[in-house]
Amino acid sequence: EPEVTQTPSHQVTQMGQEVILRCVPISNHLYFYWYRQILGQKVEFLVSFYNNEISEKSEIFDDQFSVERPDGSNFTLKIRSTKLEDSAMYFCASRMDRVYEQYFGPGTRLTVT
Amino acid sequence: AQKVTQAQTEISVVEKEDVTLDCVYETRDTTYYLFWYKQPPSGELVFLIRRNSFDEQNEISGRYSWNFQKSTSSFNFTITASQVVDSAVYFCALSETQGGSEKLVFGKGTKLTVNP
Repeated sequence: EPEVTQTPSHQVTQMGQEVILRCVPISNHLYFYWYRQILGQKVEFLVSFYNNEISEKSEIFDDQFSVERPDGSNFTLKIRSTKLEDSAMYFCASRMDRVYEQYFGPGTRLTVT
Repeated sequence: AQKVTQAQTEISVVEKEDVTLDCVYETRDTTYYLFWYKQPPSGELVFLIRRNSFDEQNEISGRYSWNFQKSTSSFNFTITASQVVDSAVYFCALSETQGGSEKLVFGKGTKLTVNP
């Protein structure tokens, strides 16, 4: 069964460093998302991406964040200058056109020290 | 604005008990989708079910059943004869069709512990 994959599973970085989180969505999906979950809290929407552009972003997704689909398979989230409060689990999700359930990857745990 | 409320923070039951997880939502949209996701201790988010706002039929899948009531804006989830493997955090989520992205808005989750 096809699934969303994410790398790395755990990333430790120092405050102020740039990180890139990588996702490979399910191959015939057209809508892509990033969410984050601070430890013990609810899952929060960051950004959605369709047709090679951002379709919606949340207040959390400020100028420090960017997304890219550099090729036909990868979908990346970049944080330019990480802060302590960026420590969280980051989930990538994707869905098909006209099918509204989103399928999530296993997540990348980001720890900013 | 969209909002999902899961009032039960934690529930603990003994194996084979039935348990119902509550979910109440708010939306201004007339067309929307409701979801349940399971997050086991390993951390991934597993899709369980989607309901459309125009389809109020309840659904049963094995030991799982869902009760959607538009009149009370609720979408409750019942596990019958619970098992230890059901132990997880369960999230209810809402997606509106306006705005284009159909992003998911999650509740805070209910942590279910099933004891042997």
